[in-house]
Amino acid sequence: ETGVTQTPRHLVMGMTNKKSLKCEQHLGHNAMYWYKQSAKKPLELMFVYNFKEQTENNSVPSRFSPECPNSSHLFLHLHTLQPEDSALYLCASSQATGGADTQYFGPGTRLTVL
Amino acid sequence: GQQLNQSPQSMFIQEGEDVSMNCTSSSIFNTWLWYKQDPGEGPVLLIALYKAGELTSNGRLTAQFGITRKDSFLNISASIPSDVGIYFCAGHRIDSWGKLQFGAGTQVVVTP
Repeated sequence: ETGVTQTPRHLVMGMTNKKSLKCEQHLGHNAMYWYKQSAKKPLELMFVYNFKEQTENNSVPSRFSPECPNSSHLFLHLHTLQPEDSALYLCASSQATGGADTQYFGPGTRLTVL
Repeated sequence: GQQLNQSPQSMFIQEGEDVSMNCTSSSIFNTWLWYKQDPGEGPVLLIALYKAGELTSNGRLTAQFGITRKDSFLNISASIPSDVGIYFCAGHRIDSWGKLQFGAGTQVVVTP
């Protein structure tokens, strides 16, 4: 595997379900990100992890819970979601040099909440 | 978060034509990035710009980092059908580590 991978690619869940999204980066980067992409809207940053430590929570509801066990893996745990949470969830990684980081994206997970 | 102003919102062009799009902001940026996103996929990095005035090419794509550091443009020359997709600009401010600001995207449709 190369680059940034995400699983599953598609997920349909009910509002009472609990599910998790997984992201893995094979680029040797130290920072990882979760974004939400809704139709007709710019990408919304959700969480940032730098060297496994969360450095940004962009006012995300607690029904989204991130986990970063190491610099290569990032999870997004989902529970009691709402239909408006349906979107494409993108993971990205960067070198995290503290300067002008270029972020590389995964293919995304298309989430549908019924 | 603050949004970059990206225009145009969409373009319908004929194969072989050139395409231009730009992004502007009221803030100063240290990095400008241009991504392309195909339906159902994540954004793919096309060009990264790190210095004011920098002009960089990637095949038929050319992008420039504006001298004022508040804008950038992307040109696609001699468009082909596979250029169809949504193009996003993104900017990085030095005072906001890890926070890329994104434009709303330019939808490009190429007709034969």
